[in-house]
Amino acid sequence: KQEVTQIPAALSVPEGENLVLNCSFTDSAIYNLQWFRQDPGKGLTSLLLIQSSQREQTSGRLNASLDKSSGRSTLYIAASQPGDSATYLCAVIYVGGTSYGKLTFGQGTILTVHP
Amino acid sequence: NAGVTQTPKFRILKIGQSMTLQCTQDMNHNYMYWYRQDPGMGLKLIYYSVGAGITDKGEVPNGYNVSRSTTEDFPLRLELAAPSQTSVYFCASSWPGDTEAFFGQGTRLTVV
Repeated sequence: KQEVTQIPAALSVPEGENLVLNCSFTDSAIYNLQWFRQDPGKGLTSLLLIQSSQREQTSGRLNASLDKSSGRSTLYIAASQPGDSATYLCAVIYVGGTSYGKLTFGQGTILTVHP
Repeated sequence: NAGVTQTPKFRILKIGQSMTLQCTQDMNHNYMYWYRQDPGMGLKLIYYSVGAGITDKGEVPNGYNVSRSTTEDFPLRLELAAPSQTSVYFCASSWPGDTEAFFGQGTRLTVV
């Protein structure tokens, strides 16, 4: 059974810092990986999708990498801003067999960026 | 594009009542999902569907039922509501080509 772990569970940083959120998974067979942002009381917003054959994706100040051999993904946020405060979730997406397309989520990292 | 739309946003049910959570998407996605999110427990898959007429159980299907008669709609039915079903429910959809999932805004359900 796939298990997804996110470290740290919570992170508080001053504005302007560069930071790294970690996501690890136990079964790296054939998976895509997606990072989401969730604001309090809201739905999940897709940030980045890394396909199984890719190693990283970038969008603005965000960069996500995928290392299947070690079962890890990292989300790098450059020059953090108070508006980045939210919960960040990673999800592993199975892309083979009868479980195709199913997402397994980590517990999330609660990020607070203070001015 | 509206994306994934869920109704209602909030609902309070009494124990033993039933209700249907509605979900519709306008992206012509084949795959649709229902997840529940409990505090500190992450998101758990209830049911999913790979196309009209095809549904399958996820990790926590007990107490729920689904149907998929059209590509756009994927309603979730709760029969005999129990306090353990108090949660936030999210519907999502994706296209099998790249699997990027898009989520609705959620339904916050309280069973009292």
